[in-house]
Amino acid sequence: QSALTQPPSASGSPGQSVTISCTGTSSDVGAYDYVSWYQQHPGKAPKLIIYEVNERPSGVPDRFSGSKSGNTASLTVSGLQAEDEADYYCCSYARSNNYVFGTGTEVTVL
Amino acid sequence: QVQLQQWGAGLLKPSETLSLTCAVYGGSFTNYYWSWIRQTPGKGLEWIGEINHSGSTKYNPSLKSQVTISVDTSKNQFSLNLSSVSAADTGVYYCARCDYGDLHFDHWGQGTLVTVSS
Repeated sequence: QSALTQPPSASGSPGQSVTISCTGTSSDVGAYDYVSWYQQHPGKAPKLIIYEVNERPSGVPDRFSGSKSGNTASLTVSGLQAEDEADYYCCSYARSNNYVFGTGTEVTVL
Repeated sequence: QVQLQQWGAGLLKPSETLSLTCAVYGGSFTNYYWSWIRQTPGKGLEWIGEINHSGSTKYNPSLKSQVTISVDTSKNQFSLNLSSVSAADTGVYYCARCDYGDLHFDHWGQGTLVTVSS
């Protein structure tokens, strides 16, 4: 199972929006609506910010939103804030009863 | 408040067995799957496998020959054994709770850095 493809980096100024893509195949992203997104600050464990494509856990700001079309999922961070500077990873449930993560995207707030 | 606390040896020699344990505090132990996930320089985040309270396991096909995950329900703990490690297994290992209904990882341990070096 190959990793999901994400752009290595993305950036935006405070208040702007940034969108990160996550491209998989018909065996993972395209097959299930079980796409989740994680935010990871340096030296910390990943934190769940989106599940089931577009659901937010309690406590996660509504500036974070998700979507999916075909084999590609996307995460949008609106109204960028300094604390949003982190690495972001997508994850999808996949056929053969396992999970595959994305390659990760480093978001910089300019 | 759910907390996952993990521990285990951080320095191994090639061919040794990696052993980590994760204790779960708060919340239900029976209604979830409990996973191990690692983050290595070579492959990034990688799901290793999972177990439920009754001992039913699922493993990443690419690691299946090396991995054993076990559970101790009397202590609300689960463990990872990864045999015959090599330098490629160096990385940070996390335990995590998997919501079986929605298939995502909603709580994570603090991570354990494991280094394999001769």
